Amino acid sequence: GDSVTQMEGPVTLSEEAFLTINCTYTATGYPSLFWYVQYPGEGLQLLLKATKADDKGSNKGFEATYRKETTSFHLEKGSVQVSDSAVYFCALSEGGGYNKLIFGAGTRLAVHP
Amino acid sequence: GAVVSQHPSRVICKSGTSVKIECRSLDFQATTMFWYRQFPKQSLMLMATSNEGSKATYEQGVEKDKFLINHASLTLSTLTVTSAHPEDSSFYICSARILETQYFGPGTRLLVL
Repeated sequence: GDSVTQMEGPVTLSEEAFLTINCTYTATGYPSLFWYVQYPGEGLQLLLKATKADDKGSNKGFEATYRKETTSFHLEKGSVQVSDSAVYFCALSEGGGYNKLIFGAGTRLAVHP
Repeated sequence: GAVVSQHPSRVICKSGTSVKIECRSLDFQATTMFWYRQFPKQSLMLMATSNEGSKATYEQGVEKDKFLINHASLTLSTLTVTSAHPEDSSFYICSARILETQYFGPGTRLLVL
């Protein structure tokens, strides 16, 4: 079945460091790909998405490119802030009218001043 | 836009009682809503898909008689945890779908004593 694999955390960075969180997927069709962020005690917020190969999603300085050839959707940010500390979830949706989301395990990011 | 609310945000109940959680899409109509459960420091587990005007579709292993889902309108789905037990204590999150994207509520923390 479809699945999403994320790099294990926690990821600990200093403020202004470069961030990469790896995400790879397995899918039989052509999924849409998402990054969601969860701040402590809250629900998930959509961070960015890409719906087809080579699309780049971006928001709040974060970027991810849908790479079909490597089945990847790595999240990057050039300069992290303390306020970026959260758990990041990569997810895919097969669509086709059902749109069930398959989540990765989540990667906790801690950014220190 | 695409705001989803949940009520209550936090609830404590006694073992054996029932608890109802509401999920509302505030500025859009959603024919499909989803209910998830999240354990501490873990990813989201899809419990069921709620379709307006029809019966919910439950994931394997989720007791439909224990977790009652009603999607009576295009903006409201409810999850009722019947005869709650301490092992039902968890963080319950709903989402509402627009095309291929799910928008999540802030979550409801349930504690069963």
